Formats: sequence, C-alpha cells, structure tokens
Amino acid sequence: GENVEQHPSTLSVQEGDSAVIKCTYSDSASNYFPWYKQELGKGPQLIIDIRSNVGEKKDQRIAVTLNKTAKHFSLHITETQPEDSAVYFCAAADTGTASKLTFGTGTRLQVTL
Amino acid sequence: DSGVTQTPKHLITATGQRVTLRCSPRSGDLSVYWYQQSLDQGLQFLIQYYNGEERAKGNILERFSAQQFPDLHSELNLSSLELGDSALYFCASSPLGRGPYNEQFFGPGTRLTVL
Repeated sequence: GENVEQHPSTLSVQEGDSAVIKCTYSDSASNYFPWYKQELGKGPQLIIDIRSNVGEKKDQRIAVTLNKTAKHFSLHITETQPEDSAVYFCAAADTGTASKLTFGTGTRLQVTL
Repeated sequence: DSGVTQTPKHLITATGQRVTLRCSPRSGDLSVYWYQQSLDQGLQFLIQYYNGEERAKGNILERFSAQQFPDLHSELNLSSLELGDSALYFCASSPLGRGPYNEQFFGPGTRLTVL
C-alpha cells in the first residue's frame, strides 16, 4: 500500500518568512495530493491540492509543487502570519477505484512574532 | 465550517462497551469516509461508503463496523472497546466515489475516551 513520509515534524518561522514542508510517497499509481491544515480541537481543513497532470499550483500565499518522477511534493507558504500556526498534513491517493487518503505524519508549524 | 456534522463531540465510556458515532455529509455528497486519529498512529483511513455501498476498506478492526443509510448519513459502530481505541474519529465526505476531482471535507470529529 501507499506510504507517505513528511518532513519536518516541527517548523518554527518568524512572521513574514516562508515555510516549506516536504512529502514523499511510494505508490506510483497515486494521482491526487491534498494538503490539510488542522487547528487545535478542529477537523482537518483542505487548503490546497494538486493532481498528477500538473507540476505546480498556487493560491495566494500558498503553493504546492509535485515531482512525479521523484515521487515528492511540497507545500510552500510565503509571508507567514500568526494565524498560519497549525499542524499541516500532506496526503496521497490513487483515485482510480476509491478515494482513500494516506496521510503523512504531520508538521507542526509555529509562526512567531 | 465544512458542512459535515458529527455527533457526539465527546464520548467517554468503559472498556468492553459499544458506542455509535454518527456523521451527516455535506449536502449533495454521496461518499462518506471514516478516519481515526491517534497520537501513535496518526490519521488512518478506516472505511469509505459511496451511495450506501462499501467502496474501500482500510485498517479497520473487526470489532468496528460502519454503514451508510438511504439518507446518506453514516454510523460507525465500535464494540468491545479497549483502552487503545481512545482517539479522535473523523468523518469526511466527497461528491463522488472516486476520481481525482473528488475533494474530501472533514467534520469536527468525535473524541472517544475509553476508561
């Protein structure tokens, strides 16, 4: 089955700096790669996703890149703000027959003033 | 607010007991997923239902079962509870059963504590 590794496990940046979180996956059949943000006491919130037919996607301060050859994808957050502090999860799915997500272990991002 | 609702928010019970967690998907979504989040195992997929039928199964214990009803709400039944079953249980929903344009939206979760 699919295995997703995520690094780093914790990340501390100053407000205004950029943050990068990296994930690798093992199943070459995976074609859908979402990122979720989880705040304390809440469920994961979908913030951006990318599909295997594109290499990069951007939404305001958030961007995701995908390298299918190397089987890795990354989340980039620019101009970080205190409200970006949360746990971020990457995930992967082979959506051919179902849509089950395999999650990474999470990155706790802290944005300091 | 994702539009996915889960009840109850918190559940405290004893070992050996049985509990039922309930999930209502977003309006129009046909798929429901259950995930377990624990400190040692992270976020793990349990099971997916699509329009009342089981679509995919993950590492779901035999003591756990789920179903999706005609009105598309879903219930996750956990029986013979053990201390290790203490976790957050999330429900997610999506419009379709498969495909790369099938985003999943998560509910607020049910925190289960087994004493």
